[in-house]
Amino acid sequence: RKEVEQDPGPFNVPEGATVAFNCTYSNSASQSFFWYRQDCRKEPKLLMSVYSSGNEDGRFTAQLNRASQYISLLIRDSKLSDSATYLCVVNTPSNFGNEKLTFGTGTRLTIIP
Amino acid sequence: DTEVTQTPKHLVMGMTNKKSLKCEQHMGHRAMYWYKQKAKKPPELMFVYSYEKLSINESVPSRFSPECPNSSLLNLHLHALQPEDSALYLCASSQDRAKTEKLFFGSGTQLSVL
Repeated sequence: RKEVEQDPGPFNVPEGATVAFNCTYSNSASQSFFWYRQDCRKEPKLLMSVYSSGNEDGRFTAQLNRASQYISLLIRDSKLSDSATYLCVVNTPSNFGNEKLTFGTGTRLTIIP
Repeated sequence: DTEVTQTPKHLVMGMTNKKSLKCEQHMGHRAMYWYKQKAKKPPELMFVYSYEKLSINESVPSRFSPECPNSSLLNLHLHALQPEDSALYLCASSQDRAKTEKLFFGSGTQLSVL
């Protein structure tokens, strides 16, 4: 099982619609969770952290379910500018106390006018 | 605009060449990273420097040699690369190793090995 798995996509969604992505992680010791966004041929950028109680930032809502080891991202009222690849990122403990961020494969989202 | 600067943006090299990728940040971050990203794949961690010391090497082949001359600079020296090493090489920084959530990425170097 991969450390971090995401919906493969692509998601093609009409403008104004609501879209949700899921991501599962394999290491129950993982402590920190994030969503990054990557535009085509650009670098990844932090979209939002994911907190245990769930958190919202404008049209974006992130949820964490530790028992089932998955996180989700909900985008409401989607805009054309939301078209990008969304990367689920998990901070995974490793040997000798070195933690590292592990990226999911990403979910490609295209918002259709 | 990214606060992590990478040069060059594009690089084409032969398998016998020696080249270097450079990365610079002036945010006072003490952790710096090299990632490799193939098309339609996620970034893969290569190296992590913490306080100018190498703290993680993800079993990267020796033809890739990282260097951290000071807290603001990170280099990746390339020698005898293979065509399969062609990829986008991303540099990133964070405040320190304990605060990896806010990774700032540079715009990357698109490397082609012929």
